[in-house]
Amino acid sequence: EAQVTQNPRYLITVTGKKLTVTCSQNMNHEYMSWYRQDPGLGLRQIYYSMNVEVTDKGDVPEGYKVSRKEKRNFPLILESPSPNQTSLYFCASSSGGRAGEQYFGPGTRLTVT
Amino acid sequence: QQPVQSPQAVILREGEDAVINCSSSKALYSVHWYRQKHGEAPVFLMILLKGGEQKGHEKISASFNEKKQQSSLYLTASQLSYSGTYFCGTEFLETNAGKSTFGDGTTLTVKP
Repeated sequence: EAQVTQNPRYLITVTGKKLTVTCSQNMNHEYMSWYRQDPGLGLRQIYYSMNVEVTDKGDVPEGYKVSRKEKRNFPLILESPSPNQTSLYFCASSSGGRAGEQYFGPGTRLTVT
Repeated sequence: QQPVQSPQAVILREGEDAVINCSSSKALYSVHWYRQKHGEAPVFLMILLKGGEQKGHEKISASFNEKKQQSSLYLTASQLSYSGTYFCGTEFLETNAGKSTFGDGTTLTVKP
């Protein structure tokens, strides 16, 4: 089954404790992206990747890191999480050369205390 | 600057029609529409590219007016399953390929 998977689905952590949210897709898509969703604010792009080893900032990259060493994986790293990073995070992938038809993962709900 | 969606919310009875608009102050390369049900991930509906076009998907269609930099999503003869939040995502002509900016969403409620 074609899908985007994210782990963990739920995470509660403390300020400053480094964490990684994994994202994997099995559709051989070149494009992958991370978004955060906060109530009333829609989806805001954090980082995106057009292909392996090619990443770029979205609208809200501060406090986040990404890497794309393999085509299928695009982990999101929070090196020193803060409470304002409490949010719902979505990973997405697309077969197009741009952010076209995106398939979203199930989401990761992160709480930073 | 993110696109502006209108209305913010709409309530319909089954069988009624709705239009959701997505307007941009910047020139658009593409507009893509998604529906998100409560507690779930957004699901892709359709994409429209610059050049102005109209697309259809069952009873849901969309248009892209390049002159106005506006896209409209048309839901006809709405069904209960259409309820959810609709987002437009945009790629601007002036920004790097792959940079995607979403509107704040339009909540659609369809009642029996």
